[in-house]
Parts: sequence; C-alpha cells; structure tokens
Amino acid sequence: DTEVTQTPKHLVMGMTNKKSLKCEQHMGHRAMYWYKQKAKKPPELMFVYSYEKLSINESVPSRFSPECPNSSLLNLHLHALQPEDSALYLCASSHGGTSGRGSYEQYFGPGTRLTVT
Amino acid sequence: AQRVTQPEKLLSVFKGAPVELKCNYSYSGSPELFWYVQYSRQRLQLLLRHISRESIKGFTADLNKGETSFHLKKPFAQEEDSAMYYCALFTGFQKLVFGTGTRLLVSP
Repeated sequence: DTEVTQTPKHLVMGMTNKKSLKCEQHMGHRAMYWYKQKAKKPPELMFVYSYEKLSINESVPSRFSPECPNSSLLNLHLHALQPEDSALYLCASSHGGTSGRGSYEQYFGPGTRLTVT
Repeated sequence: AQRVTQPEKLLSVFKGAPVELKCNYSYSGSPELFWYVQYSRQRLQLLLRHISRESIKGFTADLNKGETSFHLKKPFAQEEDSAMYYCALFTGFQKLVFGTGTRLLVSP
C-alpha cells in the first residue's frame, strides 16, 4: 500500500459539534502531518508527529486536537470550530529519517473537505 | 528567512509551447527542493525532487544556487499538464515551506 488515505472525504459540521478526521498510511513512514489548505492557497502546516510524538504545533488553536494512536494512524479532533475553519484538511507522511535520500519527501492524502456552518 | 517565491499566479500557454514555472528560494543552508503538482480534484503529488535530477512527465528542474532558483521546465506543454504547481523547500525539522503556487493552463 503506497497511499495515504483520509476519511471522511467531506464533512459538514455545526459550530457546537465534535467530529474527527482520520488519516492512515501503511508505508512504514514515521512522520505524519496535518495541513490546512484554503482555496487557491498553498497548504499550511498545522502539526507534525515524529515517531508518534507531537514534534511541531504551528500555534494552532486548541479547538483542533491531534492524536497519533500508532505509527500508521493520525487523527484530528475538532470541537467548537468557526466558519473560517472551513477548508481542505490534508494529511501527509514521510519516511521521517534525518538524513538520506527520500527522508524528507512528503506524500499527501486526498484531503477532507470541511465545511463549518 | 526561509522563503519560497513563485512570482506567477497564472501561466497560460498553448499546447506544444515551452513552459517555465519560476521558483526562487531563500535559505541559509544547503537546500532540499521539490516540485509538487495538484491536478483538478486530485491529491497533491510529488513531481520532482532536485536531489535526483530526474525527468518526470517531461518536466525537469535544475537547482541554481547562484541565483537561488529551482525553475520547472518542459519543452512542449500538453493539455494534461494543466494544474496547480507548488515549489517547496525542506527547512529541516520535518518542515516543508510551500510557495504560493502557479496555475498552469495549457490551451489547445
């Protein structure tokens, strides 16, 4: 399996709802990422997990809560979101090593299109 | 500052014409650069990595450290090349910095 998968594909939620986005990879990658992408904009990094530990939080509001249950899974828990949080949420993974060819290449999932009403 | 600049938001060419998508970077160390492509309704895909100096789908990109550039080129554009192209810089600590992207539109 050489792909990153994400569920659901689409999600509509109210501002008081709690929902979760899921991401899975079976490439043996040890680094996983969450990005937010607004229309016609580049992806913006939110969180990085390296060897199942949170290594980077790009000052993301606490209404977004990441979780890495194991090396293949990454979740993003959502609570009390705002309409401006509507975006495409991308998951990515990479080998996670610190050197060597291919260590830094990130492979992206198809994304979850989130709409907050 | 670590930065990637793609000066063109939109590049429109006719089929068969040469294409050059510009990318300039600012980075104090030895850069690791990539080109990613996002076709309509598809996932962001890795197109090229500078370290391998390969040609994918007819595209090439050469790192020019003197000009701090990593322009993407193709001698003869095809309609199926129409997509959004992002240049990205690996800045260490697992972080990729993306440029703002260039939309390539290839007309018949």
